[in-house]
Amino acid sequence: TQLLEQSPQFLSIQEGENLTVYCNSSSVFSSLQWYRQEPGEGPVLLVTVVTGGEVKKLKRLTFQFGDARKDSSLHITAAQPGDTGLYLCAANTGNQFYFGTGTSLTVIP
Amino acid sequence: NAGVTQTPKFRVLKTGQSMTLLCAQDMNHEYMYWYRQDPGMGLRLIHYSVGEGTTAKGEVPDGYNVSRLKKQNFLLGLESAAPSQTSVYFCASSYLGGQRETQYFGPGTRLLVL
Repeated sequence: TQLLEQSPQFLSIQEGENLTVYCNSSSVFSSLQWYRQEPGEGPVLLVTVVTGGEVKKLKRLTFQFGDARKDSSLHITAAQPGDTGLYLCAANTGNQFYFGTGTSLTVIP
Repeated sequence: NAGVTQTPKFRVLKTGQSMTLLCAQDMNHEYMYWYRQDPGMGLRLIHYSVGEGTTAKGEVPDGYNVSRLKKQNFLLGLESAAPSQTSVYFCASSYLGGQRETQYFGPGTRLLVL
């Protein structure tokens, strides 16, 4: 059983389109992180959200932490081919991090 | 700074063989982690260390052992490899533990067990 479920698992869109990916859990977390992983490389941290309802923006990427701190979403505006990659959410429970199943995004030029 | 490096980058083993994966970090981080990544499963924590000389089990520790004799190095051992251990292995480090810490990942080691 996965602690964090991400949807969709795969997403293929045209350049310029908008998209949203989701990270859901039945557990409450004090914070949640989003990472992006490009083929052949390790994940790289994009953002950490810590307050219920918090919204953070990173250029065309908008991250939101759910009010109940059980879920999070990542919205990309006007997607570009450079956004292609695997997006992972992660939650910390003490000393351990649990990662979601990932959303593989392909942006077609 | 090289960040987090992993050796080797790719390895093929036969069932029953042993090997050690080496992770090194030059950021003076206290915490180090070993993950495996399988299709559709995300990253799963194998073992981690909160400082030199300490190790602890993660989510999927069976079949693996680790050692942290030096602060900058974290070794992952497979004593008797099995096909189920075919995966991509990532090492990561962070300055401390905790919910706001950034983990820095290495480039991964691709392991195929035949």
